[in-house]
Amino acid sequence: DTAVSQTPKYLVTQMGNDKSIKCEQNLGHDTMYWYKQDSKKFLKIMFSYNNKELIINETVPNRFSPKSPDKAHLNLHINSLELGDSAVYFCASSQFGITYEQYFGPGTRLTVT
Amino acid sequence: GQQVMQIPQYQHVQEGEDFTTYCNSSTTLSNIQWYKQRPGGHPVFLIQLVKSGEVKKQKRLTFQFGEAKKNSSLHITATQTTDVGTYFCAGHRDDKIIFGKGTRLHILP
Repeated sequence: DTAVSQTPKYLVTQMGNDKSIKCEQNLGHDTMYWYKQDSKKFLKIMFSYNNKELIINETVPNRFSPKSPDKAHLNLHINSLELGDSAVYFCASSQFGITYEQYFGPGTRLTVT
Repeated sequence: GQQVMQIPQYQHVQEGEDFTTYCNSSTTLSNIQWYKQRPGGHPVFLIQLVKSGEVKKQKRLTFQFGEAKKNSSLHITATQTTDVGTYFCAGHRDDKIIFGKGTRLHILP
């Protein structure tokens, strides 16, 4: 059983489109995250959700909006996609909070053309 | 703002040689974690260090947390081809996490 899953694995779209990436974890964790990894492999946290509440909102454009329908899911919606949004997006989860070990999903490679 | 610097950015070693990557924080950390990301894969948790001066070992991997809780290191003894990947440290402070930029390890056969 996959602990943290993401869909889709690959996403190719044009500038200006709106897209969503879905994430699900079956670990029973309280906290979920979204990370962006750019072409240089730098990993930066974007959002964190704990019990459906946003507890970290790093400085990301408001075109990005996390949505958590329940504790096991944290989706990422992106409006008006730009070329610079091209990256690999990882979902992750941890129990209790950010200071605990995180389990990452397989990643979604987003390419904006 | 809080920064976590990681060096070197790249390291090429002959198989069987040792490898070390270092993390340095501008501020005192509550704890530090290490992750490994294989090429094309996702980060995988390796270990967490919490106490000042802590040293932990996992087979050929040795992790250290500095006395001031501002720096950490990961040392791999006698590298193998399976060690290939990028090693990230992640520092925690005030409910925030900052990843280092990673050290990409390449093993020469």
